[in-house]
Amino acid sequence: AQSVTQLGSHVSVSEGALVLLRCNYSSSVPPYLFWYVQYPNQGLQLLLKYTSAATLVKGINGFEAEFKKSETSFHLTKPSAHMSDAAEYFCAVSERSGNTPLVFGKGTRLSVIA
Amino acid sequence: DAGVIQSPRHEVTEMGQEVTLRCKPISGHNSLFWYRQTMMRGLELLIYFNNNVPIDDSGMPEDRFSAKMPNASFSTLKIQPSEPRDSAVYFCASSPKREALGGEQYFGPGTRLTVT
Repeated sequence: AQSVTQLGSHVSVSEGALVLLRCNYSSSVPPYLFWYVQYPNQGLQLLLKYTSAATLVKGINGFEAEFKKSETSFHLTKPSAHMSDAAEYFCAVSERSGNTPLVFGKGTRLSVIA
Repeated sequence: DAGVIQSPRHEVTEMGQEVTLRCKPISGHNSLFWYRQTMMRGLELLIYFNNNVPIDDSGMPEDRFSAKMPNASFSTLKIQPSEPRDSAVYFCASSPKREALGGEQYFGPGTRLTVT
């Protein structure tokens, strides 16, 4: 069975500082990996996805993530945090065969301090 | 594109009442997923459909929950009778064919259900 572990339920950074949100996955076969963002009282919005092309994936709003098979990791980064980045971030994994459900991590709440 | 549409956005009901949540997926998408989000359990899959056919309903908590997808543009999730522990945010998501876009899912705004 697939699973995702997000280290740190809450991360706080200063505006302009590096954002690093950690995600490790468990899967018996190479998976698809995703990062979603959820703003208060809203649905989930896709930030970026890894589907076996380039291991460094660029997404919206300046975010990127690197797939590292040897570490089974897919950490999310952004060089400079902005106040508008404050939200809940979810890492998710799915199988590659067919349209299959996402398995989500518990989420990491990002706070940005002025 | 209007995105995934869910209704109602908020529902407050009393224990024992029937609750029906509705979802309209993005046109052309062939998969539809129902997820539930709670503080304790996070985001968990309830059921999903491919081409209107239920594929996996193992996440449905118990017989009080049922879901249908009568056509490609509409799905319902029904809880009868509702209980306070059903209080959560229910999300519907749809996905195009995997070969096209790598299986990403598009989420609706959710329905916040409160059972008193």
